[in-house]
Amino acid sequence: ILNVEQSPQSLHVQEGDSTNFTCSFPSSNFYALHWYRWETAKSPEALFVMTLNGDEKKKGRISATLNTKEGYSYLYIKGSQPEDSATYLCASLTQGGSEKLVFGKGTKLTVNP
Amino acid sequence: DARVTQTPRHKVTEMGQEVTMRCQPILGHNTVFWYRQTMMQGLELLAYFRNRAPLDDSGMPKDRFSAEMPDATLATLKIQPSEPRDSAVYFCASGLRQGVQYFGPGTRLTVL
Repeated sequence: ILNVEQSPQSLHVQEGDSTNFTCSFPSSNFYALHWYRWETAKSPEALFVMTLNGDEKKKGRISATLNTKEGYSYLYIKGSQPEDSATYLCASLTQGGSEKLVFGKGTKLTVNP
Repeated sequence: DARVTQTPRHKVTEMGQEVTMRCQPILGHNTVFWYRQTMMQGLELLAYFRNRAPLDDSGMPKDRFSAEMPDATLATLKIQPSEPRDSAVYFCASGLRQGVQYFGPGTRLTVL
């Protein structure tokens, strides 16, 4: 995998549903994986930064896992609420000192009340 | 509540005009990024600075775009001459080395 890929591209769920989506990234020279939440008409806000294989991070109803050996991360939302509606971006940072985050195109989540 | 600020928030201009966008990073952050949001590419990195020195501007069209950091509190992105295909939202972000990036509110540019 040369680029950061996210799936699905979009997702519609009902309030109360739990959901998850995937980020695939290059596993070679991996340094860190970022997750950002991007609400419409606003700017991206950081959710998590993960660096170690097996990392799990949690913030409220949102959690993320990281597998650096196979190059994927999952983002989970438990009991989705309408305010969770946003685009969720992941971005990969490689070793070598570069600050250059490579972003996926995001998963757009819509939570219907 | 420290945050990245960007001016202007909206800019409408005519093709051929010069456009300058400004960014004030969070005080103490040593890395500043310029991104462009487009429908096709999503969020693409144009350039970034560390300690005011440009480190990577490979994502930027060199013939018309330029990015500078005259001092630690100001980053600028200039387009001269602007073209309709430059219409997009331009985000500035700042952070500490290889850490979380904090995004500004963006400048929505429309080139007619």
